[in-house]
Amino acid sequence: DTAVSQTPKYLVTQMGNDKSIKCEQNLGHDTMYWYKQDSKKFLKIMFSYNNKELIINETVPNRFSPKSPDKAHLNLHINSLELGDSAVYFCASSQHGAGDSQEQFFGPGTRLTVL
Amino acid sequence: GIQVEQSPPDLILQEGANSTLRCNFSDSVNNLQWFHQNPWGQLINLFYIPSGTKQNGRLSATTVATERYSLLYISSSQTTDSGVYFCAVYTGTASKLTFGTGTRLQVTL
Repeated sequence: DTAVSQTPKYLVTQMGNDKSIKCEQNLGHDTMYWYKQDSKKFLKIMFSYNNKELIINETVPNRFSPKSPDKAHLNLHINSLELGDSAVYFCASSQHGAGDSQEQFFGPGTRLTVL
Repeated sequence: GIQVEQSPPDLILQEGANSTLRCNFSDSVNNLQWFHQNPWGQLINLFYIPSGTKQNGRLSATTVATERYSLLYISSSQTTDSGVYFCAVYTGTASKLTFGTGTRLQVTL
């Protein structure tokens, strides 16, 4: 059983296109996250949703728009892709409400390459 | 914001050797996690350890929150231990992890 899953695993696209990455968790967690890992392996949070409500938005260009249709899903839509968006995007989830600090579990990552 | 520094940045070990990885953080934290990113890129949870010591097989971790550091011990290393080890901390009221700079470990035969 996959706890946190992401699709697609790889995404290669041209500059200027719009793309989406999907994330689903079957752990029954309340909170989901998107992280970005750059080419130097540095991991940084982008967004966090708790029960479909946005609670963290970390200075991310507004070309990036997260959407949470329900608490088991958190999708990431990216408009007008740029070369600098090439990275690995990780989804994560945890069982807690806003302000707590429970263990986070990560998906397998989506490697985005913008040409 | 909080700074999370890991040392050493790179480590090469022969199989069977022991090692200690360190994570220093610049401010008080609510909690701390250790991860192993394997060569296929997957982030694997190792420890969730706000304080004290935990052990899991050949791995153990100790966090001394009052002194703002955590240590990850790997004993009898194996080639499958290769990859990047990250610590990550929770701070304040935000439910977010701030990741460290990572330690890249290579275990050779």
